[in-house]
Amino acid sequence: DTAVSQTPKYLVTQMGNDKSIKCEQNLGHDTMYWYKQDSKKFLKIMFSYNNKELIINETVPNRFSPKSPDKAHLNLHINSLELGDSAVYFCASSQAGTRKTEQYFGPGTRLTVT
Amino acid sequence: SQKIEQNSEALNIQEGKTATLTCNYTNYSPAYLQWYRQDPGRGPVFLLLIRENEKEKRKERLKVTFDTTLKQSLFHITASQPADSATYLCALDMRSGSARQLTFGSGTQLTVLP
Repeated sequence: DTAVSQTPKYLVTQMGNDKSIKCEQNLGHDTMYWYKQDSKKFLKIMFSYNNKELIINETVPNRFSPKSPDKAHLNLHINSLELGDSAVYFCASSQAGTRKTEQYFGPGTRLTVT
Repeated sequence: SQKIEQNSEALNIQEGKTATLTCNYTNYSPAYLQWYRQDPGRGPVFLLLIRENEKEKRKERLKVTFDTTLKQSLFHITASQPADSATYLCALDMRSGSARQLTFGSGTQLTVLP
């Protein structure tokens, strides 16, 4: 029933570790996104994939690497975690090529780096 | 780069009144402007989309206006209820190369008092 799901919901880890967040959507959309929401609630685009192809890559440290194995999945791998990476990460999806450009968001993954 | 400002970080109103939230932006107008609702611990949920050639859009108790001359959108909730308490985000829907990209404001936290 869930449209956009993310795992895990909470992730607590130490500086220097490598971690992954997974996202899946069952809406049949062809475009998926990763956003970062910081402590001030500001939501900022990180990456966007359309049909498994990277189309938006904002100024994000190259420690962050997205991977899209298929249209329904977009994972985010983070190397050498830093304190400043602590935030809530949201996955979203939408359908390109239509006038319905609204995005559907997952529940978020709260990452805490200690 | 595009800047988006949403009026006051927090807005308190009495139940039954109309809540009016403001979204101002600089630079060029987006093709679309969207409004989302975000509850604590959850992802944003799409509410309404308005196109640059539309002045007003309504959905039940919600109304959005879009003034490209003033570079402003207003979001109204009529007959507000405590259940409307949440953070409301406006987002500019811009084309970035071959992709569409949402740029979010920092949000206005609305509290409807019983």
